[in-house]
Amino acid sequence: QKEVEQDPGPLSVPEGAIVSLNCTYSNSAFQYFMWYRQYSRKGPELLMYTYSSGNKEDGRFTAQVDKSSKYISLFIRDSQPSDSATYLCAMTADSWGKLQFGAGTQVVVTP
Amino acid sequence: DTAVSQTPKYLVTQMGNDKSIKCEQNLGHDTMYWYKQDSKKFLKIMFSYNNKELIINETVPNRFSPKSPDKAHLNLHINSLELGDSAVYFCASQSRGDEQFFGPGTRLTVL
Repeated sequence: QKEVEQDPGPLSVPEGAIVSLNCTYSNSAFQYFMWYRQYSRKGPELLMYTYSSGNKEDGRFTAQVDKSSKYISLFIRDSQPSDSATYLCAMTADSWGKLQFGAGTQVVVTP
Repeated sequence: DTAVSQTPKYLVTQMGNDKSIKCEQNLGHDTMYWYKQDSKKFLKIMFSYNNKELIINETVPNRFSPKSPDKAHLNLHINSLELGDSAVYFCASQSRGDEQFFGPGTRLTVL
């Protein structure tokens, strides 16, 4: 079993809908949680970075971490076709170093 | 200016050949990484260097040998290429406590 589990999708939503993504993990030492967005044939780019439990909001994006359940989420409000990409969760026990990635969820936002 | 660059972008080669991928970052970061992303988009760390010193070495065949001539460069040499080495290889760099910046990737196809 992988340390980080993420449904690969694809997840197809109409434009304007809320996109809900999540990951579960097994290593209770993880403290830093990230969401990366990866467009086709590009490198991953950081979207959200959260330390420990709680919520973080940045524009249309909200990241949630529930360490007691070992569950993290990313919500995208008012989704746009330009949000179509693969979203990867990642986490680490220390603030720098070895990231464990989920498998990535492919999101398709249809006009 | 590209923050993290990789060459070549595409690499097609025969089984048994030896090839190298180069990575350069102009961000002044101390730490650099190599990741492998397979066909299912799963991103897995291979190596990490900090100030030219190897600090992470995952379970990778010893046909893969990273080399860091200086802290701005991290190269990956692969001997005796196998079909299973076909993947996208990403270089990343990081400053302590900051996010990891990924390069555009090198798509390796072994025939």
